[in-house]
Amino acid sequence: SAVISQKPSRDICQRGTSLTIQCQVDSQVTMMFWYRQQPGQSLTLIATANQGSEATYESGFVIDKFPISRPNLTFSTLTVSNMSPEDSSIYLCSASRGMSEETQYFGPGTRLLVL
Amino acid sequence: AQSVTQLDSHVSVSEGTPVLLRCNYSSSYSPSLFWYVQHPNKGLQLLLKYTSAATLVKGINGFEAEFKKSETSFHLTKPSAHMSDAAEYFCVVTISGTYKYIFGTGTRLKVLA
Repeated sequence: SAVISQKPSRDICQRGTSLTIQCQVDSQVTMMFWYRQQPGQSLTLIATANQGSEATYESGFVIDKFPISRPNLTFSTLTVSNMSPEDSSIYLCSASRGMSEETQYFGPGTRLLVL
Repeated sequence: AQSVTQLDSHVSVSEGTPVLLRCNYSSSYSPSLFWYVQHPNKGLQLLLKYTSAATLVKGINGFEAEFKKSETSFHLTKPSAHMSDAAEYFCVVTISGTYKYIFGTGTRLKVLA
């Protein structure tokens, strides 16, 4: 398994500002993912964070709004840019060792409220 | 294309009675399937996974699930519900070759005293 931590755990932000969420894994992993969970909803994949290259975004998500970094095999950041109240959600990162291991392990999430 | 359907958005059971959370999947290949639990204000915890080995999979906290290819189902069960089982449960299928997950819409389990 993998232990994943996220910072901050929660934040309240003003519209028009940006927030960067950090995700740290306790061991090297191949795959890292970022999800959004809107209130009362299931999880939606935002992007796959690729080490050493640009993230791969899912339909409906763009790099200008959700820039992602992955500088090494244990760390990634997601920035929520130019926030609006519609961005109020829980943002979760997950990690998988890849290869034959498909299991994803999830961080505790970052609860974001945009006023 | 892969998809997963959780048939019940809410399930209520009495403490000590059996739990059944239903999940059906659609996949053009032999899928990997997972159940996760999310307690209020917590992240997701892996309960169990099926990856083409034994069709009856045992997980943590007394949960188990049976993969039935003929019924394209992967229902989650527990013989006796405990108050601490009250949470949101997600059924997940993987997209072949990508390591990506497709989440079901979730089932909220309520356990009555």
